[in-house]
Amino acid sequence: QVQLVESGGGVVQPGGSLRLSCAASGFTFNNHGMHWVRQPPGKGLEWVAFIRNDGSNTYYADSVKGRFTVSRDNSKNTLFLQMSNLGVEDTAVYYCAKNVGGKYISSFDYWGQGTLVTVSS
Amino acid sequence: QSVLTQPPSLSAAPGQKVTISCSGSSSNIGKYDVSWYQQVPGTAPKLLIYENTKRPSGIPDRFSGSKSGTSATLGITGLQTGDEADYYCGTWDSGLSAWVFGGGTKLTVL
Repeated sequence: QVQLVESGGGVVQPGGSLRLSCAASGFTFNNHGMHWVRQPPGKGLEWVAFIRNDGSNTYYADSVKGRFTVSRDNSKNTLFLQMSNLGVEDTAVYYCAKNVGGKYISSFDYWGQGTLVTVSS
Repeated sequence: QSVLTQPPSLSAAPGQKVTISCSGSSSNIGKYDVSWYQQVPGTAPKLLIYENTKRPSGIPDRFSGSKSGTSATLGITGLQTGDEADYYCGTWDSGLSAWVFGGGTKLTVL
């Protein structure tokens, strides 16, 4: 069965950096694009980033462009999100999610359990 | 403010039917397929409907989706207490070059 397991969340000071990981199993990882989606406490879902199955293209929400970098290691079935210059507005549960297709963004058919990132001094 | 507009909350009795609307524009719903997600509090979202009308395996046929022009609708019949959750629509927006979610609708089954 498909499993997505995020890790790397925690408390970080404003201006700091953090790297999230998402270990994938139960499907052919290099056939699918992957997303990061976040949810601030008590609020709705916000799409963060997408990377194509082969890593050839990435897309970002304006709110994180230039600060976050999505990448993947298909040899290790792992997705990453490098976050820098973090602000309090980045406090959220971060989910990785599997894209139905490989290259083009469609729907998100499996989600991880999420990892909490708290930006606070 | 979300690019996709959903009612913040809805309530209905067990056994009843409810529809959740998702209103967008020509740069998002008017051009691209819509998907719907259910999020029970404290858990990760789950895909309910993709490509406007299709249900993943395991999703009961009490859930249905439709799209017309720049709006989409999620329908739920035979409401159960287990359907209490937040529901989100989502699609690609060509103007923003970004995926967008609606603000979410909190469904109460009372």
